[in-house]
Amino acid sequence: DGGITQSPKYLFRKEGQNVTLSCEQNLNHDAMYWYRQDPGQGLRLIYYSQIVNDFQKGDIAEGYSVSREKKESFPLTVTSAQKNPTAFYLCASSTQSSSYEQYFGPGTRLTVT
Amino acid sequence: AQSVTQPDIHITVSEGASLELRCNYSYGATPYLFWYVQSPGQGLQLLLKYFSGDTLVQGIKGFEAEFKRSQSSFNLRKPSVHWSDAAEYFCAVAPGGFQKLVFGTGTRLLVSP
Repeated sequence: DGGITQSPKYLFRKEGQNVTLSCEQNLNHDAMYWYRQDPGQGLRLIYYSQIVNDFQKGDIAEGYSVSREKKESFPLTVTSAQKNPTAFYLCASSTQSSSYEQYFGPGTRLTVT
Repeated sequence: AQSVTQPDIHITVSEGASLELRCNYSYGATPYLFWYVQSPGQGLQLLLKYFSGDTLVQGIKGFEAEFKRSQSSFNLRKPSVHWSDAAEYFCAVAPGGFQKLVFGTGTRLLVSP
């Protein structure tokens, strides 16, 4: 089955620690995205990547970093510089030609205490 | 700046009753328009999309949406709601350029017996 895998589903960290969220897709999509979801705020774009070894900041990139070394993988690191990291994080992917039709993973809920 | 407004945070509908979820957008030209659904703790699933042409679009799970240019609206409808439709619904706009979807804040649908 083709799809997007995010792991783990729940993640707990202490304040001041960096944490990396995994996102893998086997849809052969070129583009991948990271969103943050907070109650009442909808989804906000953190980073996106159109192609391997290239990525761009979204609307709320501060305190986050990404890499895109493989087409299938787009990990997100939440650094200690992110002031309010507790949230639900969603990864998505799309083809280049239909970039608006994004397929979403199941999400990772990160709790930082 | 482009924006999407979903004025209803929560809506409760009786099972079997009709449903309309509102979405208004602010954008100079006609953007691409989408409705996504999210079950609790899950990722988003695309319900339907509008790019051009017929202003009434059909989607999955019996949903439809109507684009009204004069009102800058793209409301989602379903003639008869099922208990399994209880979820959060997001309207999204692709204002132009590559990839960047702008999401509304979502409407949570509750279905009463």
